[in-house]
Amino acid sequence: AQSVTQPDIHITVSEGASLELRCNYSYGATPYLFWYVQSPGQGLQLLLKYFSGDTLVQGIKGFEAEFKRSQSSFNLRKPSVHWSDAAEYFCAVGEHAGGTSYGKLTFGQGTILTVHP
Amino acid sequence: NAGVMQNPRHLVRRRGQEARLRCSPMKGHSHVYWYRQLPEEGLKFMVYLQKENIIDESGMPKERFSAEFPKEGPSILRIQQVVRGDSAAYFCASSPPGYYEQYFGPGTRLTVT
Repeated sequence: AQSVTQPDIHITVSEGASLELRCNYSYGATPYLFWYVQSPGQGLQLLLKYFSGDTLVQGIKGFEAEFKRSQSSFNLRKPSVHWSDAAEYFCAVGEHAGGTSYGKLTFGQGTILTVHP
Repeated sequence: NAGVMQNPRHLVRRRGQEARLRCSPMKGHSHVYWYRQLPEEGLKFMVYLQKENIIDESGMPKERFSAEFPKEGPSILRIQQVVRGDSAAYFCASSPPGYYEQYFGPGTRLTVT
């Protein structure tokens, strides 16, 4: 069964600093990988996704993530954090089977990002 | 194009009552997923449905929980005889056929008193 580990429960950065959130996954085949962001009391918003191809993917709000198969990682990065980025971030891996759209997601525990002014 | 809609946003039930949570997927989406977010436990998959079919209910508790996605109308997650441990945020997500990314609704926060 697939699993996702986000080693950092809570990260604090200063506004304008760079950010990297770590994600490691376990999955038998080529994974479908996602990063979602959740603000307090809200639903999840998709930041970016990796299915295949270029291992560096760009997302919304200036985020990017790099898929590294050798390290089973999909870390999220942003060069300069804004106060509005404070939220909880979830990494997820999706199941797939032979090209169907079956996409049950397995989530990591989440990383809470605090941004200091 | 409206996003995934869930209602109610907040639901309070006494122990032993029934809770019915509704999810209207995005237009053109025929696949619906339900997830539960418990404090300290993160988001867990519950069930995956297509129109009139349950595809995968491996994450559903064996008793008291059921889900449906009829030909017409929203998907319903039904919890019978609620207990305090059912208090959580329940999220619905939808996707169109052939897509792997899921779009989430705002969630229903269930409180059992």
